[in-house]
Amino acid sequence: AQSVTQLGSHVSVSEGALVLLRCNYSSSVPPYLFWYVQYPNQGLQLLLKYTSAATLVKGINGFEAEFKKSETSFHLTKPSAHMSDAAEYFCAVSGGYSGGGADGLTFGKGTHLIIQP
Amino acid sequence: NAGVMQNPRHLVRRRGQEARLRCSPMKGHSHVYWYRQLPEEGLKFMVYLQKENIIDESGMPKERFSAEFPKEGPSILRIQQVVRGDSAAYFCASLSIRTSGYNEQFFGPGTRLTVL
Repeated sequence: AQSVTQLGSHVSVSEGALVLLRCNYSSSVPPYLFWYVQYPNQGLQLLLKYTSAATLVKGINGFEAEFKKSETSFHLTKPSAHMSDAAEYFCAVSGGYSGGGADGLTFGKGTHLIIQP
Repeated sequence: NAGVMQNPRHLVRRRGQEARLRCSPMKGHSHVYWYRQLPEEGLKFMVYLQKENIIDESGMPKERFSAEFPKEGPSILRIQQVVRGDSAAYFCASLSIRTSGYNEQFFGPGTRLTVL
């Protein structure tokens, strides 16, 4: 069984400041980890994923995340926030494969990122 | 290549009616997932289907909910006798496992169900 905890339902940063969104997970098997972004009334878009290769993962729009097994964390960062980054961000975990495909994802509750001008 | 398509985008039903949500996966994708997003919550996995097979329905409510992915046509999530608590956004995702390694689930835009 897997679970995901996202600390902070709302995070507010100034434009140009560092963005840090926290995600901790639990998994009984080596995890696959994901960050998705959701803009209002839209579906989810994959930002980046960790699949047991490099522990520092770079994604789209300047985001990156670091997998830390000892801390069971996968925090999302961006050096300089832009107004267009305002959205809902979800961390998700998957345990791997079943039925020849991939397991359903387990999502955190999300973090609403607010960018102050 | 068109993305995952869901229709309708918005659906309004009265209590006791049936809701049918449709999902057309990306071309070449034979795996479909349904998720539900309640207000102020993350997405919750409901069911995982391949063509003509339910692989994992561990997240589906035991009553009133069913899903299918026929050999031809879209995947259908069916909710019978809807109640107000069914009001949510329902997302479909599809995946292809023809390439090696872990494959990304591609999400559709969702169907927002409102039960009056």
